[in-house]
Amino acid sequence: AQSVTQPDIHITVSEGASLELRCNYSYGATPYLFWYVQSPGQGLQLLLKYFSGDTLVQGIKGFEAEFKRSQSSFNLRKPSVHWSDAAEYFCAVGALGTGGFKTIFGAGTRLFVKA
Amino acid sequence: DVKVTQSSRYLVKRTGEKVFLECVQDMDHENMFWYRQDPGLGLRLIYFSYDVKMKEKGDIPEGYSVSREKKERFSLILESASTNQTSMYLCASRPYREVHEQYFGPGTRLTVT
Repeated sequence: AQSVTQPDIHITVSEGASLELRCNYSYGATPYLFWYVQSPGQGLQLLLKYFSGDTLVQGIKGFEAEFKRSQSSFNLRKPSVHWSDAAEYFCAVGALGTGGFKTIFGAGTRLFVKA
Repeated sequence: DVKVTQSSRYLVKRTGEKVFLECVQDMDHENMFWYRQDPGLGLRLIYFSYDVKMKEKGDIPEGYSVSREKKERFSLILESASTNQTSMYLCASRPYREVHEQYFGPGTRLTVT
């Protein structure tokens, strides 16, 4: 069965510092991978997605993620964090099945940004 | 832009009440979803619908039912609310059978007292 693990429940970084949020997935075939962000009091917004091709994908707000099949990972990175990046981040894996495309979400990583 | 709206941002209900949460999307998406979000557990799928009048149980359907009479509207029903259903409820939609992201509403924070 598909599953997603985000090992870090919360992370604190200083504004201007680099960021890496970890995500490991379990899936038997080529996965479809997503990162979503949830700002306080808001729904989830897609940051980026990987379906195939280049394993380094660029997203919105200066984020990028790298798919590493050998490590079953899809880590999210940003070179310089801004205070407005404080939010909760969810990694997700998707697969086609009966009834359509099903998405499994990780438990989330909450990012705190300190001045 | 896809827009998914939910009828209430905050809701307070008493134990045993029947609760309706409404979700409307404006992009003619076939698939619609209801999740609940709890700290440390991420998003858990309650029910989804891949077409009008069609529904499938998700991972945690107990205590919930759904209704989809029109393509744009997907309702979550708590037949008899309990305190353990206090949570954030998120609705989402997506085109059918496409490898595609979901579009989320802002969520409803439900408190059952």
